[in-house]
Amino acid sequence: SYELTQPPSVSVSPGQTASITCSGDKLGDKDACWYQQKPGQSPVLVIYQDVKRPSGIPERFSGSNSGNTATLTISGTQAMDEADYYCQTWDRSTVVFGGGTKLTVL
Amino acid sequence: EVQLLESGGGLVQRGGSLRLSCAASGLTFSIYAMSWVRQAPGKGLEWVSGISTSGGSTYYADSVKGRFTISRDNSKNTLNLQMNSLRAEDTAVYYCAKPREGAVLGAFDLWGRGTLVTVSS
Repeated sequence: SYELTQPPSVSVSPGQTASITCSGDKLGDKDACWYQQKPGQSPVLVIYQDVKRPSGIPERFSGSNSGNTATLTISGTQAMDEADYYCQTWDRSTVVFGGGTKLTVL
Repeated sequence: EVQLLESGGGLVQRGGSLRLSCAASGLTFSIYAMSWVRQAPGKGLEWVSGISTSGGSTYYADSVKGRFTISRDNSKNTLNLQMNSLRAEDTAVYYCAKPREGAVLGAFDLWGRGTLVTVSS
């Protein structure tokens, strides 16, 4: 079965750039998306189709996907961005999530 | 307001059954493939099952295949998940999720608040 691998944790200082990676076999050939989840809340889609932001998502969130790795980048990270982040891909009959990355802003 | 509202969660004994429902409002439910996603306490997101717009095609994670059945009623804007032979590892918050694009399983741009299922051993 297809697997997506994320680092368990990433730390960043306020105002700096955070990068969270997601690795999977030939992931660049698929659509990837990213979710933000804060404690006690439902996930929120922050990136879809590798690079697109839904309306209402700040411009500091961006994405890329090439080769075996998709990357979520948060520029000028703010304290409010501290959360768990999950990557996801899918095909015609299944959906796969990465294990999640806890982003700490300190 | 566009929303998904799950119900039906609760405490059930190992080996028991439970039926979850998700009521959709404020959207054209019938044009979206829908999914159930779960999250065990303190763990990550796990896709459980998906269903096509008409209900004619259903998809399951290996962990629930043969035990769970997904269905939908487009006349009532409702998504269901029948869960049988429940195990302790099925304990989780179960979310109903809608894809951004209609007919694909895809990226989920709308989630419910979730319903907690606890399986006691």
